[in-house]
This record gives sequence, C-alpha cells and structure tokens, in this order.
Amino acid sequence: SQQGEEDPQALSIQEGENATMNCSYKTSINNLQWYRQNSGRGLVHLILIRSNEREKHSGRLRVTLDTSKKSSSLLITASRAADTASYFCATGASGTYKYIFGTGTRLKVLA
Amino acid sequence: GAGVSQSPSNKVTEKGKDVELRCDPISGHTALYWYRQRLGQGLEFLIYFQGNSAPDKSGLPSDRFSAERTGESVSTLTIQRTQQEDSAVYLCASSTSGGRYEQYFGPGTRLTVT
Repeated sequence: SQQGEEDPQALSIQEGENATMNCSYKTSINNLQWYRQNSGRGLVHLILIRSNEREKHSGRLRVTLDTSKKSSSLLITASRAADTASYFCATGASGTYKYIFGTGTRLKVLA
Repeated sequence: GAGVSQSPSNKVTEKGKDVELRCDPISGHTALYWYRQRLGQGLEFLIYFQGNSAPDKSGLPSDRFSAERTGESVSTLTIQRTQQEDSAVYLCASSTSGGRYEQYFGPGTRLTVT
C-alpha cells in the first residue's frame, strides 16, 4: 500500500482563500517532499522538509512536519487559479533511497 | 540547462508486444527513478538507480518489467508481453543523489495497450 496518504482527496476553494492539505505516512523517514502536478507542466517539486525540521516556508507555501504523528501539512496562502493542480507528498524512508508517493489531493481554485 | 527528457511521449501497442521506454536524465545526476502512474492515481515506485550501485528493483510489478542504466546516463524501461493493465503514464525522474534531494521529473510516456 502507499506510504503516504493525502487528505482531503479533493478540495475546491475561492481565489484568495487558503488551502490546507495533509499527508500521513507509516514509517520513519529521512525527509518528506511535496510536488504539484498539472496537465500542462507535469510534476514539479515544491518543497523538501527534513526529518529534523518542523516547519519550512517557500513563498506562499508553508509546510509542517510532525514526526511523532507521522504527518505533514501543506498550506497555500492567498490561492490563485493557477494553483489548480494535484498535490502529492513523497516520503523518503529511512535506510532507503526510494520515495513513496501518496494518492494526492486535487485542488481546484475558482476565480 | 536541459531537463529530464523521455521518449516516446506516447506509445500505443498491441497486447503481447514488447515496448521500450527511454529516459535521459539531467547531466550529472547520479540518481534515476522510474514510476508508473495510472489514470487518476498517485505514483508507484518501480526502480531506482544510484551511480554504479546495484539498482533497487523492489517496485517492479512482475518479471515482464526490466530496466537498465549505463553509468549515469540514459535509462531504458522495457516491458515484455504487454498487458492491458500496463496502460499508464511512465515517469522518469533524476536527482543529484538519491534519497536526500528533490527529484526532477520528465514529461512521461503515455503507454496504451490495446
């Protein structure tokens, strides 16, 4: 089964609102990454957070990591129509080099 | 600089035929990954290459699937005796080193088995 599970599966918000999506995983990790996928541009890396970090920011993105709960959240502030995409978390398990991707959250931002 | 490229972008094949998919990673990237993404699904890990180390093949779904990589260059994913359930987008990604850095993805190869 997939290591990461995103929640919610789908999210629809108005432009300007914030969007929060969550990722849960099952085993110890080295790091966790978030990716965006839309039909036009394929998969794009957004942010990487290491297991010893708790929060990270990049522009309008804020990622948190709680290793005790084995969960992460991605917050997109002041959303734009261009943020419409699927968002995936990918966990790099400790002791391996492979990443396991979650099932994704489909975000739709309405103009 | 150039990103990850994959070819072909689309492939339609008849059930039972063999197909070969190609990935050109970013120059200098030692790590290379293959993933499969079925319609509306997440990415399934298939195989991972890191430099000249033995590849991690733990994600290959059956012995019909194999992959090769020569050094730190091109990789090919081969699917023998294709089945309809093999229909998916096959994505390749490269990274400066495995497990600790971001992955750069290619545009994918959409495989349709009829």
